[in-house]
Amino acid sequence: DIVMTQSPLSLPVTPGEPASISCRSSQSLLHSNGNNHLDWFLQKPGQSPQLLISLGSNRASGVPDRFTGSGSGTDFTLKISRVEAEDVGVYYCMQALQPPLTFGGGTKVEIK
Amino acid sequence: EVQLVESGGDLVQPGGSLRLSCAASGFSFSRYSMSWVRQFPGKGLEWVSGIYGSGAGTYYADSVKGRFTISRDNSKNTVFLQMNNLRVEDTAVYYCAKDEAPNSGWDFDYWGQGTLVTVSS
Repeated sequence: DIVMTQSPLSLPVTPGEPASISCRSSQSLLHSNGNNHLDWFLQKPGQSPQLLISLGSNRASGVPDRFTGSGSGTDFTLKISRVEAEDVGVYYCMQALQPPLTFGGGTKVEIK
Repeated sequence: EVQLVESGGDLVQPGGSLRLSCAASGFSFSRYSMSWVRQFPGKGLEWVSGIYGSGAGTYYADSVKGRFTISRDNSKNTVFLQMNNLRVEDTAVYYCAKDEAPNSGWDFDYWGQGTLVTVSS
């Protein structure tokens, strides 16, 4: 199975400041079709997870452009250009290359 | 508007069975892969099982293989998870999730609200 490792575990942020979350996979998520099958989700308190980024860098519908996904192969990053209060919650990366799909352990983002 | 509504969660004794349902609406159901993802109390996410739109391909996490069965009824826009020989460690909120693009893979753009399964004596 592909192991997904996220860091940091916890990320205190100041509104208006940037934030960055790292996700690494134990094997390459680059498909022969040229896509990196890596997704980012945000689970806000008391809610179901919501898709932020698919295929490594494609922002989902309705996701603010302050969220950017980047990376290829085994190393990926989610960046928030200017954190807002509504961005608090737990962020998960997930490899969607092959079943069994696997999630990272999560990064809890909270306001300082 | 896309909606996914799970049901069937309950309190069950170890060794018991449950059948979860996820009723879908607002999209062409048979064209999309569907999955079940669970969240242990206070913890992270674990993908449980997935099924292609046609129902021809099914996949499972090792932790549930041989005990859980995913299926779908495209005429009723519903995906199911039959859970047998339940264990205490299966206690979790179970979400169903829809793939983002038709006839593709496993990028989940919509999730249901979840249904709680509690396995306890």
